Amino acid sequence: RKEVEQDPGPFNVPEGATVAFNCTYSNSASQSFFWYRQDCRKEPKLLMSVYSSGNEDGRFTAQLNRASQYISLLIRDSKLSDSATYLCVVNMDDSWGKFQFGAGTQVVVTP
Amino acid sequence: NAGVTQTPKFQVLKTGQSMTLQCAQDMNHNSMYWYRQDPGMGLRLIYYSASEGTTDKGEVPNGYNVSRLNKREFSLRLESAAPSQTSVYFCASEGVAEQYFGPGTRLTVT
Repeated sequence: RKEVEQDPGPFNVPEGATVAFNCTYSNSASQSFFWYRQDCRKEPKLLMSVYSSGNEDGRFTAQLNRASQYISLLIRDSKLSDSATYLCVVNMDDSWGKFQFGAGTQVVVTP
Repeated sequence: NAGVTQTPKFQVLKTGQSMTLQCAQDMNHNSMYWYRQDPGMGLRLIYYSASEGTTDKGEVPNGYNVSRLNKREFSLRLESAAPSQTSVYFCASEGVAEQYFGPGTRLTVT
């Protein structure tokens, strides 16, 4: 079983709609959580960190559910520019060298 | 401010050839990483370096060696390339709660 699992998608979303997807992790001792965005054939870039209380950055909302061991990302009012692959990243013990990446969820926003 | 730079961007090798992938960062970060990304598998850690002069194996180190030349530079060497090493290689450095990635090297081994 992979340590970090994501639905690969693609999630096809009409422009202006809301899309949400989850990422599950297997290690209950995981300390920190992130969403990265990766455009086609580009490097990953940090979208947002995920805090225990949940957090919002503009149209993006991230949630953490420790009891069920998953994090989620919700995108409201989707834009064409939101089309990308979203990578879930989990830091297993809050130290360097322990970042685990999910394989990514592809989102395609259509006009 | 260039961030993290990698060379080359593309490379084609024949089985058994060797090469070194170069990575440099100008953000004064201590920690640096080498990952490979294959379809459907996410990024997998090859080696990391917590600070200048130290390196440690990650999840998939076989067939690779690394050198942390100084604080800025972290190179990855393939001594005898194999088709299984066909992948996209990303170097990253770690700031506060964030990893910064280079643009990647697309390597094909035939």
